[in-house]
Amino acid sequence: GNSVTQMEGPVTLSEEAFLTINCTYTATGYPSLFWYVQYPGEGLQLLLKATKADDKGSNKGFEATYRKETTSFHLEKGSVQVSDSAVYFCALYDNFNKFYFGSGTKLNVKP
Amino acid sequence: DGGITQSPKYLFRKEGQNVTLSCEQNLNHDAMYWYRQDPGQGLRLIYYSQIVNDFQKGDIAEGYSVSREKKESFPLTVTSAQKNPTAFYLCASSIGGIETQYFGPGTRLLVL
Repeated sequence: GNSVTQMEGPVTLSEEAFLTINCTYTATGYPSLFWYVQYPGEGLQLLLKATKADDKGSNKGFEATYRKETTSFHLEKGSVQVSDSAVYFCALYDNFNKFYFGSGTKLNVKP
Repeated sequence: DGGITQSPKYLFRKEGQNVTLSCEQNLNHDAMYWYRQDPGQGLRLIYYSQIVNDFQKGDIAEGYSVSREKKESFPLTVTSAQKNPTAFYLCASSIGGIETQYFGPGTRLLVL
């Protein structure tokens, strides 16, 4: 079946540090891949997405590349800010109206 | 402004009581979803609906019920059969067949 696995948190970084949050997936066919961000007490917001292999999604300095050969979609940012502190979810869409979410990775950025 | 609204923000349930969580969208999306989120965990799918008057069970449908009488509305009822209802409930919608989901702000359900 389809599934998403992402690294456990929390991840604690100092401001301006480089961020990587790992995400791997298992899927049949050719899913679309997403990163969502959740701030405390709020719903999820779409951060970026990629719909086919080798696509790179990017937004607000965050990037992720759809790697079919390694079934991965790792999230990266070159220089994190305190305001990036949140929970990040990796997700896939199976093209049959179902979404699968990872368990979330909490990011804490210290000044 | 287009978006998804959920109400109430906080909801308290007494033992044996059914409660209904509201979800409304004005994005003209065909598909709507309900997820449950427990502390420190990911999202688990409760129910989803691809079109009006049709819905399917997700992974944890027991103790929940839904209706989809209008395109813009997808209320979730937490019944007395749900023994551990305390959680954060998220509603989402998407254009059917096109993948991005948009989420509401969530409802936190607590048991008195």
